[in-house]
Amino acid sequence: EAQVTQNPRYLITVTGKKLTVTCSQNMNHEYMSWYRQDPGLGLRQIYYSMNVEVTDKGDVPEGYKVSRKEKRNFPLILESPSPNQTSLYFCASSLGRGPYQPQHFGDGTRLSIL
Amino acid sequence: SQKIEQNSEALNIQEGKTATLTCNYTNYSPAYLQWYRQDPGRGPVFLLLIRENEKEKRKERLKVTFDTTLKQSLFHITASQPADSATYLCALQGNTGFQKLVFGTGTRLLVSP
Repeated sequence: EAQVTQNPRYLITVTGKKLTVTCSQNMNHEYMSWYRQDPGLGLRQIYYSMNVEVTDKGDVPEGYKVSRKEKRNFPLILESPSPNQTSLYFCASSLGRGPYQPQHFGDGTRLSIL
Repeated sequence: SQKIEQNSEALNIQEGKTATLTCNYTNYSPAYLQWYRQDPGRGPVFLLLIRENEKEKRKERLKVTFDTTLKQSLFHITASQPADSATYLCALQGNTGFQKLVFGTGTRLLVSP
């Protein structure tokens, strides 16, 4: 089954404790991205990657890192999480690079930073 | 400033009626506009894409229109069913960056039996 898999689905942690949210897709998609979703603000892009070893900042990249060492994986790293990073996070992928490509989303990771 | 606006109030309709959701945008010149459905606790699911020169697109009970003069897209669900209850998001390409989709905040649709 074609899917985008995120782990963990839920995480409660404390300020400053490094964490990684994994994202993997099995569709051989070139383009992957991370979003956060907050009430009243909608989905905002954090980082995106057009291909292996090619990443770039989205609209809200502060406090986050990403890497794209393999085509299928695009982990999101919070080196020193803070409470304002408490949010619902989504990984997405698409075939090719055009804006006309539908995005395939994972089921989300709910992070709570205390 | 650039803005995408969807009605933040939930839309309540009765089963069998047509639901119409609105997406307005300002200071964008999108070539494409997409609509997604999001259920609670799940990621958005792609529904339809419409190009600026298409004006209207249909898929089963769904219909999307795109009026670049009004800077508006309408999303219609005909013969609505309780299973159509969800939040619907519109998304368009921003004016900066390549393949950066910008999403509206979504409108919640509630279809009553």
